[in-house]
Amino acid sequence: EVKLLESGGGLVQPGGSMRLSCAASGFTFTDFYMNWIRQPAGKAPEWLGFIRNKANGYTTEYNPSVKGRFTISRDNTQNMLYLQMNTLRAEDTATYYCARRWTTGPFDYWGQGVMVTVSS
Amino acid sequence: DIVLTQSPATLSVTPGESVSLSCRASQGISTSIHWYQQKSNESPRLLIKYASQSISGIPSRFSGSGSGTDFTLSINRVESEDFSVYYCQQSYSLPRTFGAGTKLELK
Repeated sequence: EVKLLESGGGLVQPGGSMRLSCAASGFTFTDFYMNWIRQPAGKAPEWLGFIRNKANGYTTEYNPSVKGRFTISRDNTQNMLYLQMNTLRAEDTATYYCARRWTTGPFDYWGQGVMVTVSS
Repeated sequence: DIVLTQSPATLSVTPGESVSLSCRASQGISTSIHWYQQKSNESPRLLIKYASQSISGIPSRFSGSGSGTDFTLSINRVESEDFSVYYCQQSYSLPRTFGAGTKLELK
């Protein structure tokens, strides 16, 4: 069974940093592109970026809305995905999901999400 | 960025009705559109991929159609468990984008 479990969320002050983690199980982690997607309360999801699979060199792509502030990485020995978020703003407040997909196509499995609140 | 416009924003129906939800892309995207269902306080769930391809475990009353810029998610005879928000998402180009959603509610 495919499982994705996010952790590391909570309250952070504006300008602060936070790292989210996503533990993956039930599939061959290195075969998949891994994504971060966020969703403010009551709004649509927003794709943040992905890290490619082994065949494509684990390179990254980002939404311009977060490029330069957010960094995606993965530990393939531990089947872990990470999102490092810096210089956080109030508008970064959202539920953050990790999601997997093949080299292209839809996000076929999502984690349960983790809340991040940026507030003083 | 490719903008996806979903309509209507809210659709009020009674169980047993059949409905169609629309998603229009700001440019042609072939069939690179996917549909998700999101129930309250849950993660989105993939319903349809590549405009019309079914997903294992999804009830057959859900179907999709379209290509280019106009896409439709159809639900044949809505059931009570279908009342939720539906999003379309494109995988044609970066950044990946989602529509604003259609809320299907009980009339």
